[in-house]
Amino acid sequence: GDSVTQMEGPVTLSEEAFLTINCTYTATGYPSLFWYVQYPGEGLQLLLKATKADDKGSNKGFEATYRKETTSFHLEKGSVQVSDSAVYFCALSRNSGNTPLVFGKGTRLSVIA
Amino acid sequence: KAGVTQTPRYLIKTRGQQVTLSCSPISGHRSVSWYQQTPGQGLQFLFEYFSETQRNKGNFPGRFSGRQFSNSRSEMNVSTLELGDSALYLCASSLENRGSNEKLFFGSGTQLSVL
Repeated sequence: GDSVTQMEGPVTLSEEAFLTINCTYTATGYPSLFWYVQYPGEGLQLLLKATKADDKGSNKGFEATYRKETTSFHLEKGSVQVSDSAVYFCALSRNSGNTPLVFGKGTRLSVIA
Repeated sequence: KAGVTQTPRYLIKTRGQQVTLSCSPISGHRSVSWYQQTPGQGLQFLFEYFSETQRNKGNFPGRFSGRQFSNSRSEMNVSTLELGDSALYLCASSLENRGSNEKLFFGSGTQLSVL
């Protein structure tokens, strides 16, 4: 079945450091890919998405490129802030029917000043 | 517009009891999905309701059940609670949840602790 694998955390970075969180997926066909973020005490929020190969999703300084050849959707940010501390989830969705989102296990990011 | 509201925020139960969690979706949203979040397993899909009908179901035992009312509010019930049911239960709503063009809006969750 479909699955998403994320790098395990926690990840601890200093402010202004470069961030990469790896995400790879297994799916039949051509899924859409997402990054969701969960701030402390809150539910998940959509951060960015990409719906086809080579698409780049971006939002709030975060970027991720849909790489079909490596089945990857790595999240990057050039300069993290303390306010980026959260749990990040990679997810995929089949583009057919009403299938639910499949999430990775999440990666906790802590940014220290 | 009010967001997705889940009640209660915290629950403490003992093994063998049953529990009911509530979710009020964003006004106008007809699809409600439930997820279980644990540190070890991440988010696992429980079920999805659309227009009072269960449209999708995850791989959970029959002790986990749900329903949706005509106003799109949803409840989930867990009977005969086990220690392993301790988790954050998240509800998410969307207009119709028909694939990648729709965004899911999540509530803050109900943190269930089973003692």
